Amino acid sequence: AQTVTQSQPEMSVQEAETVTLSCTYDTSESDYYLFWYKQPPSRQMILVIRQEAYKQQNATENRFSVNFQKAAKSFSLKISDSQLGDAAMYFCAYQGGSEKLVFGKGTKLTVNP
Amino acid sequence: DTGVSQDPRHKITKRGQNVTFRCDPISEHNRLYWYRQTLGQGPEFLTYFQNEAQLEKSRLLSDRFSAERPKGSFSTLEIQRTEQGDSAMYLCASSGDSGADTQYFGPGTRLTVL
Repeated sequence: AQTVTQSQPEMSVQEAETVTLSCTYDTSESDYYLFWYKQPPSRQMILVIRQEAYKQQNATENRFSVNFQKAAKSFSLKISDSQLGDAAMYFCAYQGGSEKLVFGKGTKLTVNP
Repeated sequence: DTGVSQDPRHKITKRGQNVTFRCDPISEHNRLYWYRQTLGQGPEFLTYFQNEAQLEKSRLLSDRFSAERPKGSFSTLEIQRTEQGDSAMYLCASSGDSGADTQYFGPGTRLTVL
C-alpha cells in the first residue's frame, strides 16, 4: 500500500520570506500523481499544485513550486513571498492506479507578520 | 457552478442514532468520493462512485456505513447506530472521468457523537 509522510507537523515563516514543506512517499507504481492541498482553519480543502510523475519538469503555480525527486520519492512544496493568507494546514497527497487519494498527516504553517 | 456542496455543515447526535449526510458534486463531474478526517490527521478514503456505481469501498467503511448515489447525481452517506468513534469531519470530493482529473473538495460535514 502507498504511504505519504510529512515529517514536519508545524512550520513557521515570516511574511515575505520563503518556506519549504517536505513530503516523502512510498510506492511501487511508476505512473502516479502528487498533490499539495491547503486547508485553512474551518474552511474547505483547496488544491495548491499537482505534479504528474511522468513529467520531469517541476510544477509551478505563481508563488508555489515543487521539487519533485522521483528516484528519492520526495515531493516538497516551496512557498515564496509568504503572505498571511498562506497560513493553513498543508497536505501532501498521492494518487496512483487506484482512484483514491492517500494523504499525509499534514503540516501546519504559521505566517508571522 | 458553485463547487461541491455538503449538507449539513455540522451535526450533533447522540450515540446510537442514525445520521445522513448529503453531497452535491460539481455538475459535470461523474466521480464522487467520500473521505473521513479526524482531528490532527489527513483525510482517509471511504468510498467512491463512478456515476451511480459504487466502485471501491475502504475497510474503514463498516457495515454501519452505507453510501448511495441514485441517478449519478448527489450522494448520501448514512451512519447507523452512531458511536463516539464516528466523530469526525466527513469530506466529499468530485472529479471528471479520467483518473488524472483533480479531485475538488466540499466544505465537509462535522459530526459530533455525544
